[in-house]
Amino acid sequence: GENVEQHPSTLSVQEGDSAVIKCTYSDSASNYFPWYKQELGKGPQLIIDIRSNVGEKKDQRIAVTLNKTAKHFSLHITETQPEDSAVYFCAASRSYIPTFGRGTSLIVHP
Amino acid sequence: GAVVSQHPSWVICKSGTSVKIECRSLDFQATTMFWYRQFPKQSLMLMATSNEGSKATYEQGVEKDKFLINHASLTLSTLTVTSAHPEDSSFYICSVEATNEKLFFGSGTQLSVL
Repeated sequence: GENVEQHPSTLSVQEGDSAVIKCTYSDSASNYFPWYKQELGKGPQLIIDIRSNVGEKKDQRIAVTLNKTAKHFSLHITETQPEDSAVYFCAASRSYIPTFGRGTSLIVHP
Repeated sequence: GAVVSQHPSWVICKSGTSVKIECRSLDFQATTMFWYRQFPKQSLMLMATSNEGSKATYEQGVEKDKFLINHASLTLSTLTVTSAHPEDSSFYICSVEATNEKLFFGSGTQLSVL
C-alpha cells in the first residue's frame, strides 16, 4: 500500500518568515495530493491540493509543489501569521482514499 | 466545498454503554462518507467507508460489531460505539467525499469513556 512520510514533525518560525513542509510517497500511481490544516479540537480543513499533471499551484500565501519523478511534494507558506499555527497533514491518493502523513505542528511566534 | 456537520462535539459516557455520533452533509448529497479515528498528536486512521444504502466497508483490525455504521440517506451517516470501554476513548472524525476526490471533514467528536 501507499506510504507517506512527512517532515518535519515540528516547525517553529517567527511571524513573517516562510515555512516549508515536505512529504514523500511510495506509490507511483498516486495522482492526487491534498494538504489539510487541523486546529486543536477540530476536524481537518482542506487548504490546497494538487494533481499529478500539475507541478505547482498557488493560492495567496500558500503554494504546493510536486515532483512526480522523485515522488515528493511540499507545502510552502509565506509571510506566516500566528493564525497559521496548527497541525498540517499531507496526503497521497489514487483511489479516492487518501493515505495521510503523520502531521507537522507549525508554531508561528508573534 | 461540502459543509459537514458532526455532533456531538464531545461526549462522556460510562463503560459498557453505547454512544452514537452523527455526521451530516448539509449541502452535498454524499454517496460515500468516511469515519476516522485520531489519537492525540497522531495522524488520522481510517476506520471504515460508509456507502449510502449498503453495508460499510471496514479497515483491517476494526471490529464491525463494535463500531456500527449506518448510512441510510445521502445526507446522514452515523457511527455507534457499542459497549464502550476506556480504550475506545479517542477523537472520531467523519468526512464526505465530494467531487474530484476532495474530502471535507466534520468538526470531530471527542469521546471519553470512564
